[in-house]
Formats: sequence, structure tokens, C-alpha cells
Amino acid sequence: IQLTQSPSSLSASVGDRVTITCRASQGISSYLAWYQQKPGKAPKLLIYAASTLQSGVPSRFSGSGSGTDFTLTISSLQPEDFATYYCQQVNSYPFTFGPGTKVDI
Amino acid sequence: EVQLVESGGGLVQPGGSLRLSCAASGFTFSSYEMNWVRQAPGKGLEWVSYISSSGTTIYYADSVKGRFTISRDNAENSLYLQMNSLRAEDTAVYYCARRQHYNFWSGSYLVTYYFDYWGQGTLVTVSS
Repeated sequence: IQLTQSPSSLSASVGDRVTITCRASQGISSYLAWYQQKPGKAPKLLIYAASTLQSGVPSRFSGSGSGTDFTLTISSLQPEDFATYYCQQVNSYPFTFGPGTKVDI
Repeated sequence: EVQLVESGGGLVQPGGSLRLSCAASGFTFSSYEMNWVRQAPGKGLEWVSYISSSGTTIYYADSVKGRFTISRDNAENSLYLQMNSLRAEDTAVYYCARRQHYNFWSGSYLVTYYFDYWGQGTLVTVSS
């Protein structure tokens, strides 16, 4: 299963609403997770089951979608949110990742 | 506190071998499935391998199949990745990650997965 993400990068300002899209090459129900990665650090889980927020993750992050089209939304971008975001399909192995979306200032 | 600590990375020549380790603590290691994920310099994440909690079910990415071997020692709370016939394209930071499962209702009860804890990574460089 292949994943595409759009855009590949975006520039935004603090307080902006940011939306990242992930599309799967075939239907994966709600079997999708989102991760945030900052330079030199391991990925951090944000959302699983397409829309369930991981414990401790701020509520400004939300996920939606089912089937082939998914969205990660940051309702009000904060300085600590500048990072690269990856989606991952967990419908079947290999658990492929999307190519990433870099969010910068 | 859950901790995953990788070790064993380094510089190796093409065709060489390396064994990575991941030491787990803060949870019942024998109850969790584990994975290796890698990231080439400046590139995205690539899933590499999976092992079930008992070690009986194993999967590999096509890119490493036949060259890499995943294993675990539940008595030692450790995960391993034996890497043979290394190539330049295997150069990457290698992460171990714990797989968690989640049951949810969507017309019927389903189970999904996610990687909830990751190690800090260990760098493998394949170069002459």
C-alpha cells in the first residue's frame, strides 16, 4: 500500500490553521497513524485509528478520514509544531509511511 | 517509564555485517510486538522489520529480505537486528519501536496498531 502526502512542505505562521493530506493507494478503513518528527529526534505518535488523539498530545491536533483519504489538522500552529509530519498505514505489513510534510516558518 | 535504547551502530564497509541491539525497560517486553524503522540521511521513514511478542511471526521489507534478521530475547528484554551484506543504501538511523494495539468499533470490533514508543536511534554508515 502506497501513501502520498500533500503538500510536501508548507510555510505557515504561528496561529495559522494547517491541514495536511494523506492518500492511500487502496482503502485502509481507519488504519492510519500520524507522527511528528523534529530534527535529530525520534518520531512522536500524534494520532492513531485515523482520529484518536494519543494521550498527552495537545487538542489542537486532530485527524479525520477513512478509506483512502485522511487529514491531519493543526487548529492553531504553535512554535513547537514546526516539524515534519508523517502518516503511516497500519492496515497490513509492510506498514508503509508517507513521504512526509515539512512545516516551517 | 518506557525506554528503548538502541546500540551497535557504526561505520562498516560494503558487504560487511553489523548487529544492532535495542534494550527495553519500563514495560513487560515479552507482551509486545516490536519493529525496526530506519531513516536515511535527509529522507523519510522506512519500516524495516517486525517480530511478534513470542518471536514466531516475522516480517521484512523487500529491501532487506534475505540480508537482515530480526530476533528478540524476552529474558533479556532485548531486540536485535542482524544486518549482513550491507550496502551503501542501508546507511540510515535505525530506530526500534514498540507496537501497540487498539480495539475500536466501526460496525464491528476492529483492532488497529500504532508505534507508541521509539528509541533515540543508532546510526549505521556503510562506506568504504
